[in-house]
Amino acid sequence: DGGITQSPKYLFRKEGQNVTLSCEQNLNHDAMYWYRQDPGQGLRLIYYSQIVNDFQKGDIAEGYSVSREKKESFPLTVTSAQKNPTAFYLCASTSPGLAGRNTGELFFGEGSRLTVL
Amino acid sequence: AQTVTQSQPEMSVQEAETVTLSCTYDTSESDYYLFWYKQPPSRQMILVIRQEAYKQQNATENRFSVNFQKAAKSFSLKISDSQLGDAAMYFCAYCREYGNKLVFGAGTILRVKS
Repeated sequence: DGGITQSPKYLFRKEGQNVTLSCEQNLNHDAMYWYRQDPGQGLRLIYYSQIVNDFQKGDIAEGYSVSREKKESFPLTVTSAQKNPTAFYLCASTSPGLAGRNTGELFFGEGSRLTVL
Repeated sequence: AQTVTQSQPEMSVQEAETVTLSCTYDTSESDYYLFWYKQPPSRQMILVIRQEAYKQQNATENRFSVNFQKAAKSFSLKISDSQLGDAAMYFCAYCREYGNKLVFGAGTILRVKS
């Protein structure tokens, strides 16, 4: 079945460690996104990529890094520079419609919960 | 920058009754899209309904409908005949016509009582 797979579901990290969250999609979507979800704040955009080998910072990119070497993969690294990394992380993907217009629908993975000990 | 505001952190509804979730947004664009996403306890986000700003007719998907007031920048979601499976967090979201970046509200937790 087509979809987005995020791993791991749960991750614990000690302060000062970098961790990488995996996001893989087999929907043949061009664009991929990373969102962070905190209670009472909704979803905030960390990074997004609209094409392979290209990505842009979202609203809260500090302390995070990404790569997009393959169309189907968009891993997110939470670095030690991220001051408050404990959160729920969601990966999503979509493809533009005709002439680059938004189709609007994002397809989401099941999320990864990161806890810093 | 565009913003999306959901003023109701929590709502409750009796099974089989109707509930309306509120959403307002701020934008200077004339063409854009609005969405309601559902996040059940499993945390998998699902698109419930979408509205193109250029369409005057309110979108409807089975028991879900919206009241889109473009001048007031208001986009409420009405759920009719509420079911236990409707219990979830609901997010209102906005995106421009081009660019594919969604801006989300803070969410409303909907509880359904049997």
